[in-house]
Amino acid sequence: DTAVSQTPKYLVTQMGNDKSIKCEQNLGHDTMYWYKQDSKKFLKIMFSYNNKELIINETVPNRFSPKSPDKAHLNLHINSLELGDSAVYFCASSPGHFSSGNTIYFGEGSWLTVV
Amino acid sequence: QQQVKQSPQSLIVQKGGISIINCAYENTAFDYFPWYQQFPGKGPALLIAIRPDVSEKKEGRFTISFNKSAKQFSLHIMDSQPGDSATYFCAASKGSNYQLIWGAGTKLIIKP
Repeated sequence: DTAVSQTPKYLVTQMGNDKSIKCEQNLGHDTMYWYKQDSKKFLKIMFSYNNKELIINETVPNRFSPKSPDKAHLNLHINSLELGDSAVYFCASSPGHFSSGNTIYFGEGSWLTVV
Repeated sequence: QQQVKQSPQSLIVQKGGISIINCAYENTAFDYFPWYQQFPGKGPALLIAIRPDVSEKKEGRFTISFNKSAKQFSLHIMDSQPGDSATYFCAASKGSNYQLIWGAGTKLIIKP
């Protein structure tokens, strides 16, 4: 069983379109994340939810909107896609904060290409 | 002060050699330092982690060395193998925080 699964794995879409990426974790974790990894491999956190509550909301365009229907799911909706949004988007989860040395578990990524 | 600086950006090592990747931080409140390994087409996965109360942690061929006074930590891969070829990220976090501060990554290539 995949611990953190995200769909779709590949997405090619035109500028201006709206798209969503779905994420589910079956680890029973309280915290979920969305990361963006650019072509230079830099990992940038976008959002984090803990028990369905938004706890990290980094400086990202408001075209990006996360939604957590329950603590096992965290979806990412992107409006009016731009060329610069092309990247790999990773969903991740962890049991909680890091004072206990908790680990982040990543999904396999969603490759978004905007043309 | 929130940054974690990682070097080198890329590294080529011969099979059987020692791979060394370094990270430096400024924030003395950081108390958790993990290393993640990412293979092409996959998400990062935890490799090994250390807390500042120890100076070294070893798991198999992988060792973290931690220098609290210098605010530096490094990953050593002994007897490097082609299967170790991946991108390696260091990271740091503090206290009851939900956010890891990530290094920029090191692309490691092990030549057969």
